[in-house]
Amino acid sequence: QKEVEQNSGPLSVPEGAIASLNCTYSDRGSQSFFWYRQYSGKSPELIMFIYSNGDKEDGRFTAQLNKASQYVSLLIRDSQPSDSATYLCAVNPPNDYKLSFGAGTTVTVRA
Amino acid sequence: DAMVIQNPRYQVTQFGKPVTLSCSQTLNHNVMYWYQQKSSQAPKLLFHYYDKDFNNEADTPDNFQSRRPNTSFCFLDIRSPGLGDAAMYLCATTGKGLFQPQHFGDGTRLSIL
Repeated sequence: QKEVEQNSGPLSVPEGAIASLNCTYSDRGSQSFFWYRQYSGKSPELIMFIYSNGDKEDGRFTAQLNKASQYVSLLIRDSQPSDSATYLCAVNPPNDYKLSFGAGTTVTVRA
Repeated sequence: DAMVIQNPRYQVTQFGKPVTLSCSQTLNHNVMYWYQQKSSQAPKLLFHYYDKDFNNEADTPDNFQSRRPNTSFCFLDIRSPGLGDAAMYLCATTGKGLFQPQHFGDGTRLSIL
């Protein structure tokens, strides 16, 4: 079983719609969770992090964490063509400075 | 202002010719990481430093070495690059304490002729 799994996509959404990205993780003791956006040919850029169960909102982005279900998601509201990118879910295993990355979900926002 | 700086952005080398990639940071972060990322794949951790303590991933080829002469700088040396080493190489840093996000540099795209 992979440590971090994401919907492989690609996910295609119309402009203005909500894009929903899902991520599950295997280590129940994981405590910090990150979403990175990566444009083609560029490096990952941190867009959200979440540590506590529930929702965390930042502009058009909302991260949701459910530790009991070992599930973290990212919602992008009012999707824009500039949101077209690969989104990487990353998880800190317990007491570890390393990140486990999912394979990423590619999102395409259609104008 | 760039906080994690990688040089060069693009590097072309010949098969078997040693190459060094560099990373510097202005964040005074304790932990520095080197990742390899190939097209459509997740970043793959090669090694990381916690201060001066070097931590090698079990599956990192011996062909890859690293140096961290001080807090600000870290180097990735590829002793004899093969065609399979063509990739984006990413440097990242994080501060002390758990739950800290990693901050990535812009990466170095390595091509092997």
